[in-house]
Amino acid sequence: EVQLVESGGGLVQPGGSLRLSCAASGFTFSSYWMHWVRQAPGKGLVWVSRINSDGSSTSYADSVKGRFTISRDNAKNTLYLQMNSLRAEDTAVYYCARFPRGGYYDYWGQGTLVTVSS
Amino acid sequence: QSALTQPASVSGSPGQSITISCTGTSSDVGSYNLVSWYQQHPGKAPKLMIYEVSKRPSGVSNRFSGSKSGNTASLTISGLQAEDEADYYCCSYAGSSTVFGGGTKLTVL
Repeated sequence: EVQLVESGGGLVQPGGSLRLSCAASGFTFSSYWMHWVRQAPGKGLVWVSRINSDGSSTSYADSVKGRFTISRDNAKNTLYLQMNSLRAEDTAVYYCARFPRGGYYDYWGQGTLVTVSS
Repeated sequence: QSALTQPASVSGSPGQSITISCTGTSSDVGSYNLVSWYQQHPGKAPKLMIYEVSKRPSGVSNRFSGSKSGNTASLTISGLQAEDEADYYCCSYAGSSTVFGGGTKLTVL
């Protein structure tokens, strides 16, 4: 059974940092591109970042470029999102999602809430 | 990229059919047959309902169907049921990223 389990969310002050993790199981993690998608409270889904299967290629939304870094450890079956210089507008539930090359998300984690507030 | 455009809300009675539109541009919806749709119940993760414009994942009811014409994709739900009440999001591949619609709240009357 495919499982994606996020962790690392919490309350952080503006300007602070957090690292989110997404533990994958039930599939060959190293074969799949992975993405982070976020959802602010009461708002819609927004794409954040993606990484290819071996970690050699990444892409970011303009709103997080230069502040967030996506990475993966295929030996540990884990996806990461390092978030620096956090702002109030980064407050959201962050989901990791598996991305088969057909341009869709077939499995999602349960999400982890990040709250940026003083 | 700008978000895809969806109606904020749609409604229908049990047994009826509804259609949710999703309008993008020639850089996303119009360029790729890679539109997907997601259902999200409150407090839950999104669930894939349609991929590659019109394909249904295993386990998704055939009451759900998708189509695309030009820069606009559509999700049709036939034979509405109470459990279909949820938020629905379209999503398009856009090269090095994806772009979502703003979401549509479906109310089953």
